Amino acid sequence: DGGITQSPKYLFRKEGQNVTLSCEQNLNHDAMYWYRQDPGQGLRLIYYSQIVNDFQKGDIAEGYSVSREKKESFPLTVTSAQKNPTAFYLCASSRTGQGSEKLFFGSGTQLSVL
Amino acid sequence: GNSVTQMEGPVTLSEEAFLTINCTYTATGYPSLFWYVQYPGEGLQLLLKATKADDKGSNKGFEATYRKETTSFHLEKGSVQVSDSAVYFCALSLSGGSYIPTFGRGTSLIVHP
Repeated sequence: DGGITQSPKYLFRKEGQNVTLSCEQNLNHDAMYWYRQDPGQGLRLIYYSQIVNDFQKGDIAEGYSVSREKKESFPLTVTSAQKNPTAFYLCASSRTGQGSEKLFFGSGTQLSVL
Repeated sequence: GNSVTQMEGPVTLSEEAFLTINCTYTATGYPSLFWYVQYPGEGLQLLLKATKADDKGSNKGFEATYRKETTSFHLEKGSVQVSDSAVYFCALSLSGGSYIPTFGRGTSLIVHP
């Protein structure tokens, strides 16, 4: 079955540590997105990519980095510069990135600070 | 700018009650409108969408009508079930071009037997 796979489901970060969240899709979609979800705040866009080797900052990119070396993969690194990383992280994709398309979401990664 | 405003939750209902979750939007241009649903511990999945004024999206007994005059896209269901308990997100995205969706804050629905 086609879909988006996020791993791990739970992740713990120590002080000063960088951690990487994985996102893989086999839908052959061009566009991929990372959102952060905090209780009561909805979804906030971190980064997005509409083509391989290109990505753009979203509303809350500080303290995060991404790469898009392959069409099917869009990993997110939470760096030590992100002082409040505890949240639920969602990866999504859409076929071409056009506005009327629906997004397909992964099942999320819960990141917590030790 | 573009924004989506949803009613605050949680919305608590008994099984078979009528559901309305309000959603209004502000947009420059002509947006497509979406409702997504998130079950506990999972990602979001599309529930329904509408791409132009007066369109009605429907799925699994849920409906929403794109009202341009009131800039609204309220979600309704005639008879909710316990299995409908989830968080519902209203979202907009501009049609006809590359645009990143804007989401509301989400409304939690709790349905009791």
